[in-house]
Amino acid sequence: QVQLHESGPGLVKPSGTLSLTCAVSGGSINSSTWWSWVRQPPGKGLEWIGEIYHSGSTNYNPSLKSPVTISIDRSKNQFSLKVTSVTAADTAVYYCATTPATTKYQNFDCWGQGMLVTVSS
Amino acid sequence: DIQMTQSPSSLSASVGDRVTITCRASHNIGDRLNWYQQKPGKAPKLLIYAASNLQSGVPSRFSGSGSGTDFTLTISSLQPEDFASYLCQQSYRSSFGPGTRLDIK
Repeated sequence: QVQLHESGPGLVKPSGTLSLTCAVSGGSINSSTWWSWVRQPPGKGLEWIGEIYHSGSTNYNPSLKSPVTISIDRSKNQFSLKVTSVTAADTAVYYCATTPATTKYQNFDCWGQGMLVTVSS
Repeated sequence: DIQMTQSPSSLSASVGDRVTITCRASHNIGDRLNWYQQKPGKAPKLLIYAASNLQSGVPSRFSGSGSGTDFTLTISSLQPEDFASYLCQQSYRSSFGPGTRLDIK
């Protein structure tokens, strides 16, 4: 069973860059899986940020206000998220999650434990 | 954007009760609807995918139905571990509903 673990700074200054990494264990990042980031502001609903395949193909949520980049490091079996020019609205628990590429539609069947990132000076 | 609404926003029920939660999409999404359970401080857990398919390992008291714009999640007989929040997600353009909080009466 794949396990996911988010890591990165828990505090980012406004206008700075939020960088998180999701380490994959119990499976290969080269498997038939879409690797996603999802966030949840405190007391609010979930928002899908985007996803990446091991080929490097990406899809992003067009509704996001902040510029985001998702990348993959096959040598380290991990994928990453960068959000630039952050504001307080980017304060959230950030989750990494997976969708099997074999499923008909997107669904998130495996999740990391989540990491709170606070944007504050 | 496809907007998702859920009703009720919260409800109280007792162990053994049958509970139904509704999710509505602002546009036709076919069967592209998933249901998750989330407990405080924890990541969501996939219960139902593609509207009516039970995720592996999820108890059979959970079921989903619907298509197009209207969907339901039913818990046939509430167990103590089922008190949590329930969220729907449309996978057509990937957005989540606001959630339904299920409390013990």
